[in-house]
Amino acid sequence: GAVVSQHPSRVICKSGTSVKIECRSLDFQATTMFWYRQFPKQSLMLMATSNEGSKATYEQGVEKDKFLINHASLTLSTLTVTSAHPEDSSFYICSAGRDTAAGEAFFGQGTRLTVV
Amino acid sequence: AQSVAQPEDQVNVAEGNPLTVKCTYSVSGNPYLFWYVQYPNRGLQFLLKYITGDNLVKGSYGFEAEFNKSQTSFHLKKPSALVSDSALYFCAVREWRDDKIIFGKGTRLHILP
Repeated sequence: GAVVSQHPSRVICKSGTSVKIECRSLDFQATTMFWYRQFPKQSLMLMATSNEGSKATYEQGVEKDKFLINHASLTLSTLTVTSAHPEDSSFYICSAGRDTAAGEAFFGQGTRLTVV
Repeated sequence: AQSVAQPEDQVNVAEGNPLTVKCTYSVSGNPYLFWYVQYPNRGLQFLLKYITGDNLVKGSYGFEAEFNKSQTSFHLKKPSALVSDSALYFCAVREWRDDKIIFGKGTRLHILP
């Protein structure tokens, strides 16, 4: 299957700082990528749809000024958690689909963010 | 809007026995249905999908799922469970005209040796 790489896998940061998470499609181009957040023992919550060359589309209740998404190329989307607080600590996962008609998405390995 | 329900938080099965993980869905048009598996602190691995065609779909690691349109279900099955199958399983749905994939809450599968 297609490969989606997410970096870093783990990050610890201090409250008030910003953290950038990268999501790359390694062997295909992705005009659309998705960012999910997963709380412990819970499902994946879709945060936003990242669109190459245009603004991201955020789901209801997600603060666009806090979770900045940039999709500058067909193989890279970034999620920046700005002014991080302990409640932002979570597991963040990105996904990309190689072919919309084929249906499935491929996921990065996830990033465990801990804000102290 | 599309939605997915996984009614069981946890399923326990003895090794060697058949397993079923339940999933029902709701979409306004034709569904694309998926099963993913997640191991601790890892991303999701794709298991199988239903787009169109045969209702019985075969996927990775011996898993299969049956699409039932009248019951709006897409249950995951395996004839003989392995201890290594223990993980968190997510059912997901996508509408044919939308790129977004929506996930169920997940079912934790425990295979008992």
